[in-house]
Amino acid sequence: AQKITQTQPGMFVQEKEAVTLDCTYDTSDPSYGLFWYKQPSSGEMIFLIYQGSYDQQNATEGRYSLNFQKARKSANLVISASQLGDSAMYFCAMRGPKDYKLSFGAGTTVTVRA
Amino acid sequence: DVKVTQSSRYLVKRTGEKVFLECVQDMDHENMFWYRQDPGLGLRLIYFSYDVKMKEKGDIPEGYSVSREKKERFSLILESASTNQTSMYLCASSVPGTYNSPLHFGNGTRLTVT
Repeated sequence: AQKITQTQPGMFVQEKEAVTLDCTYDTSDPSYGLFWYKQPSSGEMIFLIYQGSYDQQNATEGRYSLNFQKARKSANLVISASQLGDSAMYFCAMRGPKDYKLSFGAGTTVTVRA
Repeated sequence: DVKVTQSSRYLVKRTGEKVFLECVQDMDHENMFWYRQDPGLGLRLIYFSYDVKMKEKGDIPEGYSVSREKKERFSLILESASTNQTSMYLCASSVPGTYNSPLHFGNGTRLTVT
């Protein structure tokens, strides 16, 4: 069974600074995909970024980048130049090669301070 | 853009009632999912469907059933609602195939069972 661990329940970050959200995972499959989602207080889940296990480069999408360390089974999300609108809960998720579903971590709440 | 619509944002039901949560997607996706979100536990899969009339149990199916009579619609049924089913329910859809396809979520239904 796949297991996703997010060890930071909550974090504070100053506006315009960068923040790193930790995510580790456990799988025996060599092929898998890693995802990060953002959930604002309104409740919708917004897909942010994807990293495949065979991708050679770390994924980036605008101010979001994924620090992928395969040997350590780590897929940390980095948000650069934080904005007030980044305040939300962030979930790390994974899918294996034969899975329909995504398996999610417990989430990290980020609060951006002005 | 993919649109996943959940019929209710908030629902309040009484213990023992039969509850229907409806979800519709407009992108002709084969896969549809029902997740439950609870603080500290992340998202847990209740049921998913990979085709019309096809369904499979997720991680926590007890107390729930589902129906998928049409491709675009996936219903979650609480046969006899209990207070421990008070939660946020999220519907999602995705294309089939590779493990790099993200799930697209609705806005969620916050269900309270009294």
